Amino acid sequence: DAKTTQPPSMDCAEGRAANLPCNHSTISGNEYVYWYRQIHSQGPQYIIHGLKNNETNEMASLIITEDRKSSTLILPHATLRDTAVYYCIVRAAGGTSYGKLTFGQGTILTVHP
Amino acid sequence: NAGVTQTPKFQVLKTGQSMTLQCAQDMNHNSMYWYRQDPGMGLRLIYYSASEGTTDKGEVPNGYNVSRLNKREFSLRLESAAPSQTSVYFCASSEGTGWATEAFFGQGTRLTVV
Repeated sequence: DAKTTQPPSMDCAEGRAANLPCNHSTISGNEYVYWYRQIHSQGPQYIIHGLKNNETNEMASLIITEDRKSSTLILPHATLRDTAVYYCIVRAAGGTSYGKLTFGQGTILTVHP
Repeated sequence: NAGVTQTPKFQVLKTGQSMTLQCAQDMNHNSMYWYRQDPGMGLRLIYYSASEGTTDKGEVPNGYNVSRLNKREFSLRLESAAPSQTSVYFCASSEGTGWATEAFFGQGTRLTVV
């Protein structure tokens, strides 16, 4: 699975959009980009995933560049409860990788009043 | 809908003791996983079970054994606990057909080995 690079920490004001970048320059054609978050040592929570098109759900939007070498997770209106560690993960679909997720260090997002 | 349930939530062991961490999911998922998370670090995969009856090693399998008891349950056993196994352990499950599916995590078991 491709390696990802994320900034160690970011700040965001409550009510503003939080834009979390992720670099995955060695991504392969069959690899998906996943985002998870972990709030205060709870179990990680799935946010969103995509292959090459931009995706949106009730939690966030995922913007993947045309060359797929980087992506941005957007929380449109951050709240204090969005303070968490955000993990960007690249994983191949199919084969023997199944649901194995390789977690890096992630980005600590702090939302402040 | 409970999702993924782990027991116990907290445990203190003495070096050399054994214990089994239990995990059960009620989403009819095929695949289940055990991760450990050390302070300030991301999660590392210990073992996984792609489907009932199969198990495979992850990144850090040494010192652990697993059993996929049935489709719902996946247990992790420490035969002889060591202080280096002090960690938070997370169980997860997914449909695991090999396609892009999300994983659901339990709330973790906080294990301290003294």
